[in-house]
Amino acid sequence: AQKITQTQPGMFVQEKEAVTLDCTYDTSDPSYGLFWYKQPSSGEMIFLIYQGSYDQQNATEGRYSLNFQKARKSANLVISASQLGDSAMYFCAMRGGSFGNEKLTFGTGTRLTIIP
Amino acid sequence: EAGVTQFPSHSVIEKGQTVTLRCDPISGHDNLYWYRRVMGKEIKFLLHFVKESKQDESGMPNNRFLAERTGGTYSTLKVQPAELEDSGVYFCASSQRALLAVLAFGPGTRLTVL
Repeated sequence: AQKITQTQPGMFVQEKEAVTLDCTYDTSDPSYGLFWYKQPSSGEMIFLIYQGSYDQQNATEGRYSLNFQKARKSANLVISASQLGDSAMYFCAMRGGSFGNEKLTFGTGTRLTIIP
Repeated sequence: EAGVTQFPSHSVIEKGQTVTLRCDPISGHDNLYWYRRVMGKEIKFLLHFVKESKQDESGMPNNRFLAERTGGTYSTLKVQPAELEDSGVYFCASSQRALLAVLAFGPGTRLTVL
């Protein structure tokens, strides 16, 4: 079974500051993928960043980076230079690398509010 | 390339009525998933199609929910009869590969059962 834990239900961050959203995971699969999605108030799910369990380097996509610490089973999302448009729900998710575990499992999400 | 589309965007029905949600995945994506987010709770997996076959329907809450994907293209999710606790946002997602691939999500259907 796969499990994602996001311990921060809500966060308030000053505009232009960096923010780290926490995510820990648990899985028995040796191969897996970790994802972050953003859900703004409009409701759609926007894919942000992906990290494969065997990737040697931490993933980066523009202002988003994933701080992947495999031994700790954590996959924190770091947003640099936050903007007002970053205010949204953020979901960490994982997908297993074996058949039967291919569905995406989500955490409970973190509501991020950027303060001007 | 068109993204995943869902119809309707909103649906308000009374308890006991039937509602059918539709999802059109990205063309060529064999894998189609349905998820649901009930108010304030986490996003829960409902089921997974590979082409027209149900690969995993372990998340379907009960037999009031019926999903189909005839011909392996679009999918429908029917709730009959709807109950109050079925209210939430229903997301459809698709991917080309099953393992480790990024899921592209549709905009969701917000279902309200009164």
